[in-house]
Amino acid sequence: KNEVEQSPQNLTAQEGEFITINCSYSVGISALHWLQQHPGGGIVSLFMLSSGKKKHGRLIATINIQEKHSSLHITASHPRDSAVYICAVRSYNTDKLIFGTGTRLQVFP
Amino acid sequence: KAGVTQTPRYLIKTRGQQVTLSCSPISGHRSVSWYQQTPGQGLQFLFEYFSETQRNKGNFPGRFSGRQFSNSRSEMNVSTLELGDSALYLCASSLGPAQGHQPQHFGDGTRLSIL
Repeated sequence: KNEVEQSPQNLTAQEGEFITINCSYSVGISALHWLQQHPGGGIVSLFMLSSGKKKHGRLIATINIQEKHSSLHITASHPRDSAVYICAVRSYNTDKLIFGTGTRLQVFP
Repeated sequence: KAGVTQTPRYLIKTRGQQVTLSCSPISGHRSVSWYQQTPGQGLQFLFEYFSETQRNKGNFPGRFSGRQFSNSRSEMNVSTLELGDSALYLCASSLGPAQGHQPQHFGDGTRLSIL
Protein backbone atom coordinates (compact mmCIF):
# COMPACT_ATOMS: atom_id res chain seq x y z
CA LYS A 1 0.00 0.00 0.00
CA ASN A 2 1.35 3.43 -0.95
CA GLU A 3 2.11 5.81 1.88
CA VAL A 4 0.26 8.58 0.03
CA GLU A 5 -2.98 7.78 -1.77
CA GLN A 6 -4.88 10.18 -3.99
CA SER A 7 -8.37 9.95 -5.37
CA PRO A 8 -9.68 10.06 -7.94
CA GLN A 9 -6.91 9.17 -10.40
CA ASN A 10 -8.73 10.92 -13.22
CA LEU A 11 -11.36 13.61 -13.10
CA THR A 12 -13.38 15.25 -15.85
CA ALA A 13 -15.45 18.35 -15.22
CA GLN A 14 -17.45 20.99 -17.03
CA GLU A 15 -16.34 24.59 -16.72
CA GLY A 16 -17.77 26.16 -13.59
CA GLU A 17 -18.06 22.96 -11.57
CA PHE A 18 -16.76 22.60 -8.02
CA ILE A 19 -13.93 20.06 -7.84
CA THR A 20 -12.51 18.09 -4.93
CA ILE A 21 -9.34 16.00 -4.95
CA ASN A 22 -8.52 13.88 -1.92
CA CYS A 23 -5.25 12.78 -0.36
CA SER A 24 -4.76 10.26 2.44
CA TYR A 25 -1.44 9.38 4.02
CA SER A 26 -0.22 6.79 6.50
CA VAL A 27 2.99 8.35 7.89
CA GLY A 28 3.62 11.05 10.43
CA ILE A 29 4.18 14.31 8.65
CA SER A 30 5.60 17.75 9.28
CA ALA A 31 3.79 19.27 6.29
CA LEU A 32 1.68 18.46 3.25
CA HIS A 33 2.12 20.01 -0.18
CA TRP A 34 -0.25 20.34 -3.09
CA LEU A 35 1.49 20.66 -6.46
CA GLN A 36 0.23 21.35 -9.97
CA GLN A 37 1.93 19.91 -13.03
CA HIS A 38 1.04 21.01 -16.54
CA PRO A 39 1.88 19.09 -19.73
CA GLY A 40 5.55 19.64 -20.42
CA GLY A 41 6.52 18.86 -16.87
CA GLY A 42 6.89 22.09 -14.92
CA ILE A 43 5.61 21.87 -11.35
CA VAL A 44 4.08 24.72 -9.38
CA SER A 45 3.70 24.57 -5.63
CA LEU A 46 0.11 25.51 -4.78
CA PHE A 47 -0.04 25.06 -1.02
CA MET A 48 2.04 23.93 1.89
CA LEU A 49 0.08 23.28 5.07
CA SER A 50 0.44 21.57 8.40
CA SER A 51 -2.97 22.36 9.88
CA GLY A 52 -6.32 23.90 9.09
CA LYS A 53 -7.14 25.50 5.80
CA LYS A 54 -5.55 27.78 3.21
CA LYS A 55 -7.14 29.69 0.34
CA HIS A 56 -5.61 31.23 -2.74
CA GLY A 57 -7.99 32.61 -5.32
CA ARG A 58 -10.31 29.80 -6.41
CA LEU A 59 -8.22 27.14 -4.70
CA ILE A 60 -8.77 25.91 -1.16
CA ALA A 61 -6.72 23.29 0.67
CA THR A 62 -7.67 21.67 3.94
CA ILE A 63 -5.95 19.17 6.17
CA ASN A 64 -7.14 17.00 9.05
CA ILE A 65 -4.08 15.81 10.93
CA GLN A 66 -6.00 13.37 13.16
CA GLU A 67 -7.59 11.65 10.16
CA LYS A 68 -4.43 11.94 8.02
CA HIS A 69 -6.42 13.41 5.17
CA SER A 70 -6.26 16.49 2.98
CA SER A 71 -8.50 17.87 0.26
CA LEU A 72 -7.89 20.31 -2.56
CA HIS A 73 -10.95 22.17 -3.78
CA ILE A 74 -11.28 24.21 -6.96
CA THR A 75 -14.28 26.51 -7.15
CA ALA A 76 -15.69 27.66 -10.50
CA SER A 77 -13.32 25.43 -12.44
CA HIS A 78 -11.87 26.66 -15.73
CA PRO A 79 -10.20 24.85 -18.65
CA ARG A 80 -6.86 26.39 -17.62
CA ASP A 81 -7.12 24.36 -14.39
CA SER A 82 -6.56 21.23 -16.48
CA ALA A 83 -3.39 19.66 -15.09
CA VAL A 84 -2.14 16.89 -12.86
CA TYR A 85 -2.50 17.67 -9.15
CA ILE A 86 -0.04 15.96 -6.86
CA CYS A 87 -0.17 15.58 -3.11
CA ALA A 88 3.16 15.22 -1.29
CA VAL A 89 3.93 14.80 2.40
CA ARG A 90 7.12 15.58 4.27
CA SER A 91 7.79 12.56 6.48
CA TYR A 92 8.41 13.62 10.08
CA ASN A 93 10.84 10.72 10.61
CA THR A 94 12.90 10.80 7.42
CA ASP A 95 12.39 14.44 6.38
CA LYS A 96 11.86 13.20 2.80
CA LEU A 97 9.03 14.19 0.48
CA ILE A 98 6.73 11.29 -0.42
CA PHE A 99 4.50 11.82 -3.42
CA GLY A 100 1.07 10.59 -4.37
CA THR A 101 0.50 9.31 -7.90
CA GLY A 102 -1.42 12.41 -8.93
CA THR A 103 -4.91 13.25 -10.11
CA ARG A 104 -5.34 14.14 -13.77
CA LEU A 105 -7.99 16.85 -14.11
CA GLN A 106 -9.57 17.88 -17.39
CA VAL A 107 -12.00 20.78 -17.45
CA PHE A 108 -14.03 21.21 -20.61
CA PRO A 109 -15.65 24.47 -21.76
CA LYS B 1 13.54 37.29 -9.98
CA ALA B 2 14.63 34.37 -12.15
CA GLY B 3 13.16 31.00 -11.28
CA VAL B 4 14.91 27.68 -10.94
CA THR B 5 16.86 26.94 -14.12
CA GLN B 6 17.65 23.43 -15.25
CA THR B 7 19.92 22.57 -18.14
CA PRO B 8 19.72 20.95 -20.53
CA ARG B 9 15.96 20.64 -21.10
CA TYR B 10 16.30 17.48 -23.19
CA LEU B 11 19.02 14.90 -23.41
CA ILE B 12 19.44 11.64 -25.30
CA LYS B 13 22.05 9.14 -24.19
CA THR B 14 22.81 5.48 -24.77
CA ARG B 15 23.13 2.69 -22.25
CA GLY B 16 26.43 2.68 -20.39
CA GLN B 17 27.11 6.37 -20.82
CA GLN B 18 27.12 8.87 -18.02
CA VAL B 19 25.28 12.18 -17.77
CA THR B 20 25.47 15.38 -15.74
CA LEU B 21 22.44 17.60 -15.17
CA SER B 22 22.61 21.13 -13.82
CA CYS B 23 20.33 23.18 -11.60
CA SER B 24 20.62 26.87 -10.74
CA PRO B 25 18.38 27.76 -7.79
CA ILE B 26 16.53 31.00 -7.23
CA SER B 27 18.94 33.69 -6.10
CA GLY B 28 19.37 33.50 -2.32
CA HIS B 29 18.09 29.94 -2.04
CA ARG B 30 20.59 27.62 -0.42
CA SER B 31 18.75 24.30 -0.57
CA VAL B 32 18.44 22.21 -3.72
CA SER B 33 16.52 18.95 -4.00
CA TRP B 34 16.42 16.54 -6.92
CA TYR B 35 13.54 14.29 -7.97
CA GLN B 36 12.99 11.64 -10.62
CA GLN B 37 9.63 11.28 -12.34
CA THR B 38 8.73 8.21 -14.39
CA PRO B 39 5.36 6.96 -15.66
CA GLY B 40 5.70 3.79 -13.59
CA GLN B 41 7.03 5.09 -10.27
CA GLY B 42 5.79 8.67 -10.31
CA LEU B 43 7.82 11.27 -8.45
CA GLN B 44 10.60 10.03 -6.22
CA PHE B 45 13.07 11.92 -4.06
CA LEU B 46 16.71 11.58 -5.08
CA PHE B 47 18.69 13.84 -2.75
CA GLU B 48 18.85 17.22 -1.07
CA TYR B 49 21.78 19.57 -0.67
CA PHE B 50 22.13 22.51 1.66
CA SER B 51 25.24 24.66 1.95
CA GLU B 52 27.26 22.22 -0.16
CA THR B 53 26.38 19.25 2.09
CA GLN B 54 24.07 16.37 1.27
CA ARG B 55 21.32 16.50 3.90
CA ASN B 56 19.21 13.63 2.73
CA LYS B 57 19.20 10.84 0.18
CA GLY B 58 16.49 8.72 -1.40
CA ASN B 59 16.57 5.02 -2.22
CA PHE B 60 18.57 5.10 -5.42
CA PRO B 61 21.69 3.15 -6.36
CA GLY B 62 25.15 4.66 -6.04
CA ARG B 63 25.17 5.38 -9.78
CA PHE B 64 23.17 8.48 -8.87
CA SER B 65 25.23 11.19 -7.23
CA GLY B 66 25.16 14.91 -6.81
CA ARG B 67 26.97 17.90 -5.47
CA GLN B 68 26.38 21.53 -4.65
CA PHE B 69 28.76 24.39 -5.25
CA SER B 70 29.46 27.43 -3.09
CA ASN B 71 27.08 29.53 -5.23
CA SER B 72 24.31 26.98 -4.44
CA ARG B 73 24.20 25.67 -8.00
CA SER B 74 23.85 21.91 -8.05
CA GLU B 75 24.66 19.09 -10.41
CA MET B 76 23.53 15.51 -10.44
CA ASN B 77 25.37 12.75 -12.20
CA VAL B 78 24.18 9.35 -13.33
CA SER B 79 26.82 6.85 -14.38
CA THR B 80 26.46 3.64 -16.39
CA LEU B 81 23.06 4.66 -17.69
CA GLU B 82 20.30 2.06 -17.91
CA LEU B 83 17.10 2.12 -19.95
CA GLY B 84 15.14 2.54 -16.72
CA ASP B 85 16.88 5.85 -16.04
CA SER B 86 14.77 7.46 -18.75
CA ALA B 87 12.78 10.02 -16.82
CA LEU B 88 12.05 13.65 -16.13
CA TYR B 89 14.56 14.92 -13.57
CA LEU B 90 13.29 17.84 -11.53
CA CYS B 91 15.17 20.19 -9.30
CA ALA B 92 13.61 22.35 -6.59
CA SER B 93 15.08 25.06 -4.42
CA SER B 94 14.12 26.61 -1.11
CA LEU B 95 15.55 29.30 1.13
CA GLY B 96 16.64 26.99 3.92
CA PRO B 97 16.80 23.25 4.50
CA ALA B 98 13.81 21.62 2.80
CA GLN B 99 11.99 20.81 6.01
CA GLY B 100 8.25 20.88 6.35
CA HIS B 101 7.82 24.60 6.60
CA GLN B 102 9.87 25.55 3.55
CA PRO B 103 8.02 25.94 0.24
CA GLN B 104 9.88 24.52 -2.73
CA HIS B 105 10.19 26.14 -6.15
CA PHE B 106 10.55 23.72 -9.04
CA GLY B 107 12.40 24.01 -12.31
CA ASP B 108 10.95 22.80 -15.62
CA GLY B 109 13.03 19.64 -15.51
CA THR B 110 15.45 17.80 -17.76
CA ARG B 111 13.91 15.05 -19.84
CA LEU B 112 16.47 12.26 -20.19
CA SER B 113 15.96 9.52 -22.76
CA ILE B 114 18.16 6.44 -22.84
CA LEU B 115 18.41 4.51 -26.11
